[in-house]
Amino acid sequence: SQQGEEDPQALSIQEGENATMNCSYKTSINNLQWYRQNSGRGLVHLILIRSNEREKHSGRLRVTLDTSKKSSSLLITASRAADTASYFCANGAQKLVFGQGTRLTINP
Amino acid sequence: GAGVSQSPRYKVAKRGQDVALRCDPISGHVSLFWYQQALGQGPEFLTYFQNEAQLDKSGLPSDRFFAERPEGSVSTLKIQRTQQEDSAVYLCASSLRLGQILNTEAFFGQGTRLTVV
Repeated sequence: SQQGEEDPQALSIQEGENATMNCSYKTSINNLQWYRQNSGRGLVHLILIRSNEREKHSGRLRVTLDTSKKSSSLLITASRAADTASYFCANGAQKLVFGQGTRLTINP
Repeated sequence: GAGVSQSPRYKVAKRGQDVALRCDPISGHVSLFWYQQALGQGPEFLTYFQNEAQLDKSGLPSDRFFAERPEGSVSTLKIQRTQQEDSAVYLCASSLRLGQILNTEAFFGQGTRLTVV
């Protein structure tokens, strides 16, 4: 399967702590996106990092990309209860190949 | 509306029944995608349109699945003779594509939750 592998599958932390999620692919990475999904809802785009970029920031989000290792990480700083959701990485220039997701729970 | 709209939101079908799922993309978006998401899993690609042309249908699991976008706007995903393993959330996404050079984000609808009983 070309599906991305995400680690950890589930993460539970206290509000205010930082959350780090990782994803890797067996195929080469061609632009990497991260999406968020609240329970029973659609996916919301968070950030896109192009294959020639190594790091990108957006608000409390920091994404890194290592094309040689075919991996990416998403860091959420100063987490809030509202960040509780599932987070998916997605690889591809046209059709997106998603990871299996990390279920993040922020405890107040 | 401003976003991608999918209908119905929920569909319960008896095994063997045909279903049709509708997607209204964001106006002007060239690309349209269908994904299938099983419970607790990431979305899996089904098919992709650029305008009315179906450029990739490699993810359709069987010939019971058929998608169309006849006028390059609204799309319909049809599943014939539904089986229990077809139970999933079907997500539609659209994006504004400006050729191969620019890669833009995809905007997703809320999905249609299909339950086959």
